[in-house]
Amino acid sequence: IQLTQSPSFLSASVGDRVTITCRASQGPSNYLAWYQQKPGKAPKLLIYAASTLQSGVPSRFSGSGSGTEFTLTISSLQPEDFATYYCQQVNSYPLTFGGGTKVEIK
Amino acid sequence: QVQLVQSGAEVKEPGASVKVSCKASGYTFTKNAMHWVRQAPGQRLEWMGWINAGNGHTKYSEKFQGRITITRDTSASTAYMELSSLRSEDTAVYYCARDEMFFDYWGQGTLVTVSS
Repeated sequence: IQLTQSPSFLSASVGDRVTITCRASQGPSNYLAWYQQKPGKAPKLLIYAASTLQSGVPSRFSGSGSGTEFTLTISSLQPEDFATYYCQQVNSYPLTFGGGTKVEIK
Repeated sequence: QVQLVQSGAEVKEPGASVKVSCKASGYTFTKNAMHWVRQAPGQRLEWMGWINAGNGHTKYSEKFQGRITITRDTSASTAYMELSSLRSEDTAVYYCARDEMFFDYWGQGTLVTVSS
C-alpha cells in the first residue's frame, strides 16, 4: 500500500489550525497511525487506529478518516509541534510510511 | 518505563555486514514483536522486518530478503538486526521499534555509514 502525504511542506504560525492528509493506494482499514519526528530523534506515536490518541499526547492532536483518505489535525499549533509528521499503515506487508510533512514556523 | 537502547554508530566498507543490537527494558521482552525501520538521509521511514520475540518467527520486507537477518536473545532481552552485502545506499539511521500493532516505543537510532 502506497501512502501519499500532502502537503509535503507547510509553513504555519503558533496558534494556527493545521491539517495534513494521507492518501492510500488501497484502503488500510483502520490500521493507520501518525508519528511526529524531530531532527535527530526517533519518531513518536501520536495517533493509532486512525483516530485514537496515544497516551500522553496532547488533545490538540486528532486523527480522522476512513477508506483511503486520512487526516491529522493540530487544532492550535504550539512551538514544540514544529516537526515532520508521517502516516503509516500496518494493514498489509510491506508496512509502509508516507513521505512526510514538514511543519515549519512562518 | 519502557526503554529500547541501541548499539553505537558503525562505519563499514561496501560488501561488509553490520549487526545492530536493541536492548529492551521495562516490559516482558517476549510479549511483543520488535520491528526494524531505517531512514536514509532526507528520506522517508522504511520498514525492514520484524521478529516475534516470543517464538523467534520473522517476517522481512522483500526488498531486504536474502540480506537481512533479525534474531533475538531472550535471556538478554535484546533484538539484533544484521544486514549483509552493504552498499552506499544502505547508509542510514536504523531504528528498532516495539510492536503494539503500531510502533509505540522506539530506540534512539543507530547511524550506519557505508563508505570506502
